[in-house]
Amino acid sequence: DAKTTQPNSMESNEEEPVHLPCNHSTISGTDYIHWYRQLPSQGPEYVIHGLTSNVNNRMASLAIAEDRKSSTLILHRATLRDAAVYYCILRPLGRAGGTSYGKLTFGQGTILTVHP
Amino acid sequence: ETGVTQSPTHLIKTRGQQVTLRCSSQSGHNTVSWYQQALGQGPQFIFQYYREEENGRGNFPPRFSGLQFPNYSSELNVNALELDDSALYLCASSRRTSGRGNEQFFGPGTRLTVL
Repeated sequence: DAKTTQPNSMESNEEEPVHLPCNHSTISGTDYIHWYRQLPSQGPEYVIHGLTSNVNNRMASLAIAEDRKSSTLILHRATLRDAAVYYCILRPLGRAGGTSYGKLTFGQGTILTVHP
Repeated sequence: ETGVTQSPTHLIKTRGQQVTLRCSSQSGHNTVSWYQQALGQGPQFIFQYYREEENGRGNFPPRFSGLQFPNYSSELNVNALELDDSALYLCASSRRTSGRGNEQFFGPGTRLTVL
């Protein structure tokens, strides 16, 4: 599986934007970029995913570099509830019956601390 | 639509014992995956089940096994428990369709402590 690199930790103040970077220089053309987050004492939670174009949803935005070797998760206004570990994951396009379909390869992630 | 649930929430076992952890997926989800998360680490993929058959496995020994039932529930069984098996065990379910990256829905996990 292609590897991702994220900073170990980042800090933000409440109501400020947060930009969480992820490097994935060995990404292949069929790898989707997924972001999950894990709040304290909870299972991971899907945030957003994309392939080539920037994506927006109610939780966040995903900015993907033109060469796809890096991406940035953007939280537009951080709240205390956004304090979590954020994981950037590459997920290959696969067949519905493929043996890697349900597999997410998590790294260490970025611990986001939000200050009031 | 109910979320993914897991039971029990916490469990303490001794080395050499066997344990069964349970997961109830969301209705309509035909794929369930199990993960092990050691303290301070990201989750590690154990295996996945699709249509009640094991359909992909990570780097875990055969003493980790599972079952998936028609009613969207599943089990993770671990035999001959070792101290290093102490971890948070997560299950995740999704509705498999062709291609892309459907999101996975995770349960809250079961915290297993092996003494």
